[in-house]
Amino acid sequence: DQQVKQNSPSLSVQEGRISILNCDYTNSMFDYFLWYKKYPAEGPTFLISISSIKDKNEDGRFTVFLNKSAKHLSLHIVPSQPGDSAVYFCSDTGANSKLTFGKGITLSVRP
Amino acid sequence: DVKVTQSSRYLVKRTGEKVFLECVQDMDHENMFWYRQDPGLGLRLIYFSYDVKMKEKGDIPEGYSVSREKKERFSLILESASTNQTSMYLCASSLIDRSDTEAFFGQGTRLTVV
Repeated sequence: DQQVKQNSPSLSVQEGRISILNCDYTNSMFDYFLWYKKYPAEGPTFLISISSIKDKNEDGRFTVFLNKSAKHLSLHIVPSQPGDSAVYFCSDTGANSKLTFGKGITLSVRP
Repeated sequence: DVKVTQSSRYLVKRTGEKVFLECVQDMDHENMFWYRQDPGLGLRLIYFSYDVKMKEKGDIPEGYSVSREKKERFSLILESASTNQTSMYLCASSLIDRSDTEAFFGQGTRLTVV
């Protein structure tokens, strides 16, 4: 079974600076990893994904990097904005498209 | 606009009550999921279903059951609610065998068991 791990529970950055959120995984058999963003009292929403055949995917201020040898992916937000303050989850898709998530990282962007 | 709708935003139930949480999606998705979110524990999968009448246990199924009689509806049942089931419950749906597409979540149900 795939496990995704987000070992840092929180991150605080200054507005305008870079935010780097990390995620590690255990099983190399996957097609995609996805990042979701969650505000309090709302359901998570999809942010960005990356395919196993790529090492980078960029969408505006958000870039996800994949390091397959280290079984590590990271989400970069540049520049960070106060509206980015939320909980970020990385997830994979396993058998039958089963979704498993990391514990999440709470990002706080200080004005 | 695609939608996953959960029947209640907030619920307060008493210990021992049978509780039904309903979820409906309008995207014709095969997969549906129930998660709970607790501080420090992230999103934990309770049950998921990849077809009508099909279900599989997630990571924390104890104390819960599910029902999927129609493709668009996935119900989570707490057979006898307990205080440790106080949590935020999230329903999601996704296309089967399409790992490149995201899951869509409902707005969540904040359940308090007293």
